[in-house]
Amino acid sequence: DAGVIQSPRHEVTEMGQEVTLRCKPISGHNSLFWYRQTMMRGLELLIYFNNNVPIDDSGMPEDRFSAKMPNASFSTLKIQPSEPRDSAVYFCASRLGGNQPQHFGDGTRLSIL
Amino acid sequence: QKEVEQDPGPLSVPEGAIVSLNCTYSNSAFQYFMWYRQYSRKGPELLMYTYSSGNKEDGRFTAQVDKSSKYISLFIRDSQPSDSATYLCAMSVKGQNFVFGPGTRLSVLP
Repeated sequence: DAGVIQSPRHEVTEMGQEVTLRCKPISGHNSLFWYRQTMMRGLELLIYFNNNVPIDDSGMPEDRFSAKMPNASFSTLKIQPSEPRDSAVYFCASRLGGNQPQHFGDGTRLSIL
Repeated sequence: QKEVEQDPGPLSVPEGAIVSLNCTYSNSAFQYFMWYRQYSRKGPELLMYTYSSGNKEDGRFTAQVDKSSKYISLFIRDSQPSDSATYLCAMSVKGQNFVFGPGTRLSVLP
């Protein structure tokens, strides 16, 4: 079975540029999560969707970050404009729903120069 | 005090040893407890998922939850070099409000 698929795997760009990260959840899962992982802060929840609707975006750092889920099989996390402090690994996770655990993709390693 | 605490390690053990990994937490409302394994440059992979207090065993892995002490553990028997990874505990309230520990880095030496 295909797991959570994220693209790109690596992104290097200059500060000020727009960055778009993409995620395809596991088919049939109805909740999707975006996380950011750094050495200093560990794994932080940015936003999560239930049935394509954003439920909790309290973890989104600031207005430069936005996330969308136009349908059940696709989500994007956008940073505009990007800053060096946004450099991190960004993970997408999905779950079947209810009390089920999350399943993670392999992340996008983002470097902002 | 952080909501979930976990010794970051690194923890080094010889092959074949029994490994004990632990997390403490402060929120007594947590009901669901998970352990994830994360290899370098990969996403966290679910190992164990338990509800409320008690033990759960899966092969060489045993998860224990003691809600009265707000303490969870993961035991790995007959540890292998392939078990070398970072282990993250996670917990949630009714499937919401997921919180992850910072992770413990484990090295199993051949």
